[in-house]
Amino acid sequence: KNQVEQSPQSLIILEGKNCTLQCNYTVSPFSNLRWYKQDTGRGPVSLTIMTFSENTKSNGRYTATLDADTKQSSLHITASQLSDSASYICVVSSGGYNKLIFGAGTRLAVHP
Amino acid sequence: AAGVIQSPRHLIKEKRETATLKCYPIPRHDTVYWYQQGPGQDPQFLISFYEKMQSDKGSIPDRFSAQQFSDYHSELNMSSLELGDSALYFCASSRRQGDNYGYTFGSGTRLTVV
Repeated sequence: KNQVEQSPQSLIILEGKNCTLQCNYTVSPFSNLRWYKQDTGRGPVSLTIMTFSENTKSNGRYTATLDADTKQSSLHITASQLSDSASYICVVSSGGYNKLIFGAGTRLAVHP
Repeated sequence: AAGVIQSPRHLIKEKRETATLKCYPIPRHDTVYWYQQGPGQDPQFLISFYEKMQSDKGSIPDRFSAQQFSDYHSELNMSSLELGDSALYFCASSRRQGDNYGYTFGSGTRLTVV
């Protein structure tokens, strides 16, 4: 069964600190993996997208890694800001154009 | 850059009423996907359209229907609304051939059924 598991479920950090979110997947076939930021009540906003051959991709303070052998990905947030408080969702595309498998997300709270 | 536009942003309906949600994809995107996200839940795929034809169907209730028009915008029609239909509904668009980079989500429509 295609699954995407994220950890931790929730995380509280202080402003300015770094954090790393994890995503493990069992999806086949694998097309790509995306990290999204979702504010409460809003649609997901893409942070990074990585294909099989990509190991690292950065977008500002966000850096995603992908290990296709172990089927693991991480999202590292550097120098967190209060506005980083949101849910971060790992989404794996299982080939084709119509199937996205969503992780349950990690709810991040950044406190002053 | 233009994004995926959804309307309305918020909608309050009573039980057994109908609702219509609209989604305007990014220009040159020919595929639209609808998702339903209940409180604290993962988004659930409802239905998708490519070139005005239904391309895939997920967990869409029979009370719901959708279509894609000639300008590629899509509408999700919901009838006999139930309290459990209260959720965030968002759509995404892509170019059919551009799966690796194409998905873009709208901001969603918050539907509340009372």
